Formats: sequence, C-alpha cells, structure tokens
Amino acid sequence: AQKVTQAQTEISVVEKEDVTLDCVYETRDTTYYLFWYKQPPSGELVFLIRRNSFDEQNEISGRYSWNFQKSTSSFNFTITASQVVDSAVYFCALRGSGGANNLFFGTGTRLTVIP
Amino acid sequence: AAGVIQSPRHLIKEKRETATLKCYPIPRHDTVYWYQQGPGQDPQFLISFYEKMQSDKGSIPDRFSAQQFSDYHSELNMSSLELGDSALYFCASSLGRGGGAPYNEQFFGPGTRLTVL
Repeated sequence: AQKVTQAQTEISVVEKEDVTLDCVYETRDTTYYLFWYKQPPSGELVFLIRRNSFDEQNEISGRYSWNFQKSTSSFNFTITASQVVDSAVYFCALRGSGGANNLFFGTGTRLTVIP
Repeated sequence: AAGVIQSPRHLIKEKRETATLKCYPIPRHDTVYWYQQGPGQDPQFLISFYEKMQSDKGSIPDRFSAQQFSDYHSELNMSSLELGDSALYFCASSLGRGGGAPYNEQFFGPGTRLTVL
C-alpha cells in the first residue's frame, strides 16, 4: 500500500524566512515516483517537481529545493527567502510502479507567508 | 501549450439531482484520471481510463460512473447527489499508463467545483 504523511498541517512564516515542508512516504514498490504540488487559493494543482526513486540527487530550482532521502523515506521541500505569493497548500504525492498508476496524496501543508 | 480542459468550472446542484463533469485531455494523451478533493482534504483518486477502457478504480461511489470516449475525452456522471459530494473534482491526463517519466506524467486540469445544496 502507498501512504504519504505530511505531519505539518499549517505553517506560518514571516516573509524572507526559509521554510521546510516535511514529507514521509511508505511503499513496497522498489521503483516509485514522488511529487510536490502547490495549490494556491484559486484551487488549481500546480506541479512543482517529480523525483524517481532511483535518483537520490537533491534538486534546486530558484528558491525551491528538495531533499530526497531514501534511508528515511523522506522527500522534504524547502523554500528559501519565502514570499507572500508562496502562500498555498502544498501536497506531497507518491505513485508506485506496479498496479494502479494514480497518485496518492498527503494531507497537505498550508503555508502562510506573512508580509 | 494546450492543457487539460474541464467543464464546467463551477456547478451548483440540488440533492438527488444528477451532474456530468467533462474532461478534455491534452492532445495525444490517452489516459485520464479523476480525483475528488473535499473541503480541506487531499485529492482522492476515483477512477482512471486508458485507451477508452477503465484501468484502475479507487474510492468511487456506486452512484458515480465514468467513461472515456473515442476522442479520449472523459465524462464523470454523478447521480443522486448528496451534500457530501460537494468538492473540487480534478481531471488529469497522461501519455500512457505504465513506465516512468516522461510517460505517465499526470497533468491536472483546473478542476470543477461542485456544490450540492
């Protein structure tokens, strides 16, 4: 079974602070894919990143960075120098490689960046 | 670039009515997924189709049905609507349903917000 846990329900930070969103996953698949999506107040799901289980390289994209650690089954997301526009709900998701190909989402973390 | 199109964007229905949500995948995408996101919840997988055949089934109520047509668009039919069906319904599409990237990368539509009164 696939499971994603985002223990942080809500986080508030002051603008320009760094913030890390935690994601822990469970899967029996040896090959799997991890995702982060952003859901702004307008409601759409915005794809941020995909990480394959066989690629543990961390990734940086502008102010965003992701830390994938297979040993701890974690795929954490860090925003540096946060901005008000970063305020949104962030979902971590998992897709296995066998059986169903749908995404399993975590419960999301609501990030509020205070100006 | 063309994205996933969902219609309508907003829908208001009364209890026990029926509703039909439509999804137009990205051109050449042959796989469609439906997700339901209740207020304050994460998206939950309902059902998916590959090449016009149902491929996977999640927590879709028996009152709901869906299909994928020859042009690959999909419709989610919801009958005997209940208050609890009020949610944001997302459609996602992908090219193929197996293997890794770039195949099976799911692209989400903007969602249809259904309100049942």
